[in-house]
Amino acid sequence: GQNIDQPTEMTATEGAIVQINCTYQTSGFNGLFWYQQHAGEAPTFLSYNVLDGLEEKGRFSSFLSRSKGYSYLLLKELQMKDSASYLCAVRGPSGGYQKVTFGTGTKLQVIP
Amino acid sequence: DAEITQSPRHKITETGRQVTLACHQTWNHNNMFWYRQDLGHGLRLIHYSYGVQDTNKGEVSDGYSVSRSNTEDLPLTLESAASSQTSVYFCASSDSGASGTYEQYFGPGTRLTVT
Repeated sequence: GQNIDQPTEMTATEGAIVQINCTYQTSGFNGLFWYQQHAGEAPTFLSYNVLDGLEEKGRFSSFLSRSKGYSYLLLKELQMKDSASYLCAVRGPSGGYQKVTFGTGTKLQVIP
Repeated sequence: DAEITQSPRHKITETGRQVTLACHQTWNHNNMFWYRQDLGHGLRLIHYSYGVQDTNKGEVSDGYSVSRSNTEDLPLTLESAASSQTSVYFCASSDSGASGTYEQYFGPGTRLTVT
């Protein structure tokens, strides 16, 4: 099966940097996603890591270490609109390569 | 532009009634998924499909069924609605990686209340 852990809540200051961690224990691994979900809305895709290392996309970066079962999402130059839940999710192969298991999410509050 | 839609967006029903939630995507994706989202549980997979006539059970499939008669639609049916099925339901779709990405595109969600 899949077990994914991430902090329930975090608070950070506008303009600062925040790191949201995710650890996973899976019976198979074919990639890790980060999604953003604003309250009352659908999740939207942020990043996908399949190899070890850092992937950078503007203010957002995602890191993966497969040997440690660990990932983090780094948000720089925080803006008020970054207040949202951030979902870590692991892709297959248990149940098929397209099946994704989600963590419970980290609710980030950005304060002035 | 391609999209994924769900209907209805809000539904109130009574215990024991059959309810069907619609999901329609114009991405031409082979893979479609139904999740429910509850406080403290995150997104949990109900059923999924990798193509026409293919359906598979997820981790919380009891009391739910799906059918896939075409590429665009994956309706979710609650056979006999229970109060424990009060939740927000999300439909999602993804391609099979031919474009190099496996991200799932989510519909706007359906908020279902069972009284």
